[in-house]
Formats: sequence, C-alpha cells, structure tokens
Amino acid sequence: AQTVTQSQPEMSVQEAETVTLSCTYDTSESNYYLFWYKQPPSRQMILVIRQEAYKQQNATENRFSVNFQKAAKSFSLKISDSQLGDTAMYFCAFMKHWRGVQGAQKLVFGQGTRLTINP
Amino acid sequence: EAGVAQSPRYKIIEKRQSVAFWCNPISGHATLYWYQQILGQGPKLLIQFQNNGVVDDSQLPKDRFSAERLKGVDSTLKIQPAKLEDSAVYLCASSSYYNSPLHFGNGTRLTVT
Repeated sequence: AQTVTQSQPEMSVQEAETVTLSCTYDTSESNYYLFWYKQPPSRQMILVIRQEAYKQQNATENRFSVNFQKAAKSFSLKISDSQLGDTAMYFCAFMKHWRGVQGAQKLVFGQGTRLTINP
Repeated sequence: EAGVAQSPRYKIIEKRQSVAFWCNPISGHATLYWYQQILGQGPKLLIQFQNNGVVDDSQLPKDRFSAERLKGVDSTLKIQPAKLEDSAVYLCASSSYYNSPLHFGNGTRLTVT
C-alpha cells in the first residue's frame, strides 16, 4: 500500500517570501502521479500542480514549482513570491498509474501542512 | 464547466440518527469518489464508483455507511446510525478518465452530538 508523509504540520512566512513544503512517499510502483492540492477555509480541494513520475523535468505552474526526487521518493512544493491568498492547508497526494486493468485508482493523501502567509 | 456540487453544506445531528449527503459530479465524469476528512487529517477514501459500479469500498464501514450511484450520475452517501466519531467533512470528487486529476466539491461538514 502507498503512504504519503508530510512532516511539517504548520509553516508560516511573510508575504513575498519563498516557502518550501516537504512530502515523502512510499510505493513499489514504478509509474505514478504526484499532486499538491490546496484547501482554503472554503474546504474545496484545489489542484495546485501535478507531476508524472516518468517525467524527469520538474513541473511548474506560475509561482508554484516542485522538486521531484524519484530515487529518494521526495516531492516538495516551492511557492515563490508568496501571497496572502496562498494561506491554506496543503496536501500532497499519490495516485498510481492505471495500466488498463479493471480496478480502483485512488488518490492517497498525506496529513497536510497548514501554511500561513503573514502581511 | 460547472464544478462538483454537494449538499448540504453543513449538518448537525445527534448520535444514532441517520443522515444523507448528495453529490452531483462534473458532467461526463465516469468516476466518483467519496472521501472522509476528519479535522486535522488528510482525506481518506470511503468508496469509489466507476459509472454506477463500485470499484473500491474497502474502507467503508459497511455496518453503518452505504452509498449508491444510480444511473451513473449523482450519488448519495448515507450514515445510519451515526456515531460521534463520524464527525468530519465528507468530500465528493470526480474524474473524467483514468490517470486524470480529481475535481472536488466544497464538502459537507457533519457534526454528531
């Protein structure tokens, strides 16, 4: 079974600073997907960024980028020029690649990191 | 495109009562998920549907929880009877095809007193 671990329960930075959230995972799969989701107080999970394990290049979405280290099973999220609206819970999540065999393909979440951006 | 719709937004019940949550996924999305998120924790999958068939309900407490997805569109999750430990946010999500990201609704916050 896959597990996802986020070792930082809470983080706090000043607006415009750069912050990095950590995530490690455990799997025996060779092909899979990793995600970062953001959950503001509205409770809706919002997709921030997605990484495919077979791609060596780290994913980037505007101010958000990841550092994907497959051998170390590490997947950190970097937020540059942080903004007040980035304040939220951030969840790292794992999904194995579907290989065409009938069965479940589910998203497994870490425990989350509460990020606060201070003015 | 319209997002995943869930109702109600909040629900407060007493233990041993029953409750039902409703979810309407994004149009055309074949896969529907129900997740339970206890305060301070990450979401945990309860049940996954592919069209109107169940593909994973291994973590669903079947003695009290039930779910259905008639006609392969919207879905209902029911708890009967509720326990104090069922207090949580219940998130519904959908995806259009395998290997694609999940899209989530706003969730239902359940408080059992």
